[in-house]
Amino acid sequence: GAVVSQHPSWVICKSGTSVKIECRSLDFQATTMFWYRQFPKQSLMLMATSNEGSKATYEQGVEKDKFLINHASLTLSTLTVTSAHPEDSSFYICSASSGQTDQPQHFGDGTRLSIL
Amino acid sequence: KQEVTQIPAALSVPEGENLVLNCSFTDSAIYNLQWFRQDPGKGLTSLLLIQSSQREQTSGRLNASLDKSSGRSTLYIAASQPGDSATYLCAVRVTGFQKLVFGTGTRLLVSP
Repeated sequence: GAVVSQHPSWVICKSGTSVKIECRSLDFQATTMFWYRQFPKQSLMLMATSNEGSKATYEQGVEKDKFLINHASLTLSTLTVTSAHPEDSSFYICSASSGQTDQPQHFGDGTRLSIL
Repeated sequence: KQEVTQIPAALSVPEGENLVLNCSFTDSAIYNLQWFRQDPGKGLTSLLLIQSSQREQTSGRLNASLDKSSGRSTLYIAASQPGDSATYLCAVRVTGFQKLVFGTGTRLLVSP
């Protein structure tokens, strides 16, 4: 089945550091990728939707200058958390879609981000 | 605005029981509904996808139903096993949008 690889799975860094998370679709072309954030014991909240070759669409309340999203190819999207602070600590999950409405989204294994 | 709610929030059952998880959504204009499983600290595993025109989908011990007009879906798990312990999430894809709106989740614990 379809596989989405997310890297790294865990990152710990100092406050003020920028962190990049990669999301790759391994065996299909992902015209659209999604980035979610999940706090402990809560559900997933969509941060932004990115279509290959165009600017990402951010959800209300998500700072686009804080969370930079690039979707330069049909198999790779990146999320960069710029100048990360402790409040940015969370679990970030990406998903990928081929764009067909009858096909499910496929999710990565998530990235645990801890800012000290 | 689409809102998705899952009941119960947590469920604890002994091994072997059949159980039902509930999902309700406020806007019936959906493309499809998807059930996921999430293990602690992990990503999501897709279990079943029901298109808006379908009533149910089955995979092994899992059966999901959809009643779009009433805004409800159920996930039925037969003969539960300890390995079924996880958080179960439902999500709807709203018509006209690509994104999924997730429910609040049900944490399931199946004890041996």
